[in-house]
Amino acid sequence: NAGVTQTPKFQVLKTGQSMTLQCAQDMNHNSMYWYRQDPGMGLRLIYYSASEGTTDKGEVPNGYNVSRLNKREFSLRLESAAPSQTSVYFCASSPGYYDEQFFGPGTRLTVL
Amino acid sequence: SQQGEEDPQALSIQEGENATMNCSYKTSINNLQWYRQNSGRGLVHLILIRSNEREKHSGRLRVTLDTSKKSSSLLITASRAADTASYFCATAGSARQLTFGSGTQLTVLP
Repeated sequence: NAGVTQTPKFQVLKTGQSMTLQCAQDMNHNSMYWYRQDPGMGLRLIYYSASEGTTDKGEVPNGYNVSRLNKREFSLRLESAAPSQTSVYFCASSPGYYDEQFFGPGTRLTVL
Repeated sequence: SQQGEEDPQALSIQEGENATMNCSYKTSINNLQWYRQNSGRGLVHLILIRSNEREKHSGRLRVTLDTSKKSSSLLITASRAADTASYFCATAGSARQLTFGSGTQLTVLP
């Protein structure tokens, strides 16, 4: 089992460009999450999907959109990137929303 | 906003010593979880303690939970250099999500 996979691993964007971060899990989990982590800080939840077909905003959703494509895949889209979105992005999944979460390796995004 | 707050922010100990990290939170919880993050990596789940539990063990890890004080502690016994990492507590409350603290950076010196 690959667990949680994320693509790409690294990305550099110019201000105003758009991109989609991909996340997939092969553990048949119901819930999936997108976080961002800034230097010296914990994780802040951007969006989550408690179950297939649902998505909800987290703590810092502005500037992002998500799609729960199917039970396996949960993508995060930046429509018009801004330097404030420079961060490390982590995708995670869990069987249910109170359960332990399994994290992907992260995507390091730099917006110039 | 961060629900859990870890203390201390940084901790440096010698190999073989015990390391204790604390987490305080503000609202009622279903469970509290501890995660480890090695530099440049994703988080790895260590242990989950439910609100009706007071103590839990896993290998060299011991977690306590005091719901009356809204606090938890993580004890790592006989620490090793490989334990060097950031440790985060996360609370599962009424919202369908975990809320993470800002973490404790543990350095274990050989």
